[in-house]
Amino acid sequence: QVQLVESGGGVVQPGGSLRLSCAASGFTFSRNGMHWVRQAPGKGLEWVAFIRYDGSNKYYADSVKGRFTISRDNSKNTLYLQMNSLRAEDTAVYYCAKEGYSSSSLPDYWGQGTLVTVSS
Amino acid sequence: QSALTQPASVSGSPGLSITISCTGTSSDVGGYNYVSWYQQHPGKAPKLMIYDVSNRPSGVSNRFSGSKSGNTASLTISGLQAEDEADYYCSSYTSSSTPYVFGTGTKVTVL
Repeated sequence: QVQLVESGGGVVQPGGSLRLSCAASGFTFSRNGMHWVRQAPGKGLEWVAFIRYDGSNKYYADSVKGRFTISRDNSKNTLYLQMNSLRAEDTAVYYCAKEGYSSSSLPDYWGQGTLVTVSS
Repeated sequence: QSALTQPASVSGSPGLSITISCTGTSSDVGGYNYVSWYQQHPGKAPKLMIYDVSNRPSGVSNRFSGSKSGNTASLTISGLQAEDEADYYCSSYTSSSTPYVFGTGTKVTVL
């Protein structure tokens, strides 16, 4: 079955950096686009970034553009999110999610998330 | 890209039906048949309930159904059960530079 396991979250000071990882199994990772979606404490879901199956195209929310970078290593079945210049408003649980079979590539399976706290 | 608009809360009695709306624009909900719905219980990851407006993934109860009219998509839960109490989010593909957007979320309460 599909498994997505995020790691790398923690507490970081404003202006700092963090790299999240998402280990994938149970499906052919190299054939699927992947998303990062976040959820601030007590708030709704916010789409963050998407990368195509081969890394050829990447898309970002305006709120993170220029600060976050999505990438993948298909040889390791792993998705990454490099987060720089972190702000308090980036505090959230970060989920990785696999694109579904719809032509829209909207997510189907989600990981359990990793918490990022930006605080001094 | 603004979030899609959902009611903050919807409630219903066991066995009855409720409908959650998701209103966008012609650039997202109205322009494509690419709306998904997710269920999220407290402290858990979201779960896909509906994709492409009205399709149910394997394993999702047929009590859940989706539809769309103009710029508004809807999720209907029939035969409401206690386990349906959760937050629900819609999501759509968009033609903007940020290709995906989520709804504001709806808390469903089973009375």
